This record gives sequence, structure tokens and C-alpha cells, in this order.
Amino acid sequence: NAGVTQTPKFRVLKTGQSMTLLCAQDMNHEYMYWYRQDPGMGLRLIHYSVGEGTTAKGEVPDGYNVSRLKKQNFLLGLESAAPSQTSVYFCASKTGADTGELFFGEGSRLTVL
Amino acid sequence: GQNIDQPTEMTATEGAIVQINCTYQTSGFNGLFWYQQHAGEAPTFLSYNVLDGLEEKGRFSSFLSRSKGYSYLLLKELQMKDSASYLCAVRDSNYQLIWGAGTKLIIKP
Repeated sequence: NAGVTQTPKFRVLKTGQSMTLLCAQDMNHEYMYWYRQDPGMGLRLIHYSVGEGTTAKGEVPDGYNVSRLKKQNFLLGLESAAPSQTSVYFCASKTGADTGELFFGEGSRLTVL
Repeated sequence: GQNIDQPTEMTATEGAIVQINCTYQTSGFNGLFWYQQHAGEAPTFLSYNVLDGLEEKGRFSSFLSRSKGYSYLLLKELQMKDSASYLCAVRDSNYQLIWGAGTKLIIKP
């Protein structure tokens, strides 16, 4: 049972480089989310999607872009990485609007030098 | 603004009981969630409260008072594996989750 899978698990970037984090879920969930988690702070929502082909901004969207071309995949892109984007990134998914439980991926630890 | 407050860290003894509090001020309320997160791992769902009162699930219970903007997670018969961070989150009027910073629970033998 794969659930929610994130790749890569670890990445080190230099300032200005670009990269894409991939999230894949095999539970046929409609809703998908990208969060970042920083020490001493709660999870912060970057972008989310309520279905294939749709995306929306969350609390901290600047510097990130997303795409949901296929229902099972949600991509998070950093066009020009900055040290402030050093964080642990979590992807999550859920069935629909009324369901509460989020299923999280294992996280992707990104360091920007 | 929206705010979720919970203690940063708590320590308890194996076999004992611990209560982790969470207070919130949000734009609307559509439920409160507790998640467990072991170090270096993903959060996992523990409980959901939308009506006032106590929800019990094995060794874990969660309480909600909407009028006081308050919840607690009660862990009984503590085990070493309960050492983790416990995250409180409130779903607001837009059905978005607002997360607390988490409470790191340390269990001592």
C-alpha cells in the first residue's frame, strides 16, 4: 500500500537553481496539498488542488508553482531557489471537501545554500 | 488573525497520563484535529472533534469546547513509543486547516 509518495526525499540546491518535487497518491483522492514545515512553526499551506487541472494558492505561495495534470500527481516547483525555502515539504491528500483526515507523504527535506 | 496555541514541550513518565492543551482563535470553525508526528516522519491522524465533548479512541481521548475555543488530547498509560510531537489543527470557515506549532512530548522511563 503506497499511499502518498514524495520524491526526492532529500535535495541540496544552490541559490537560484530550480527543482520540482513530485507527489503521487494511489488512493483516488480529489484534494491534494503542499505544506512546508519549519522549526517552531505550524504546517503552512503553499498550494492546493481540489481536482485534476485545478490549483489554488495557500498561505505562503510566493516562489512556488504547482501543477495537477493528472489526478494522482501534484507537482511543486521552485523556479529560483532561495535560502528561505530551506524546509521540510509535505504533500498530503484527502478524499473530498467534507472529509477531514489528511494522508501525508514522508516528506522532502530541501536545503538551499 | 488566526491563532492556534499549544505548549512547546511536555515531559511525562511511562505509564502515566498526560493532557496536551490547545486553544484557538480562528475565522469560523469546522472541526478540530489532532495529529501525531514522530521525529523525521509524516504526521498521522489521531482524532477529530466537531461537537463539544469527549471522543475516546483506545488510550487516546480528545475533548472540545467550542465556546471556550479549547481542546485537549489526553493520553493514558503512556508508552515510550508515544514520544512524538502532537499537532492541533482547526478547520476554518473556508475549510482550510490552521495548524499549531505542535507539542513535543517526551516520555521518561
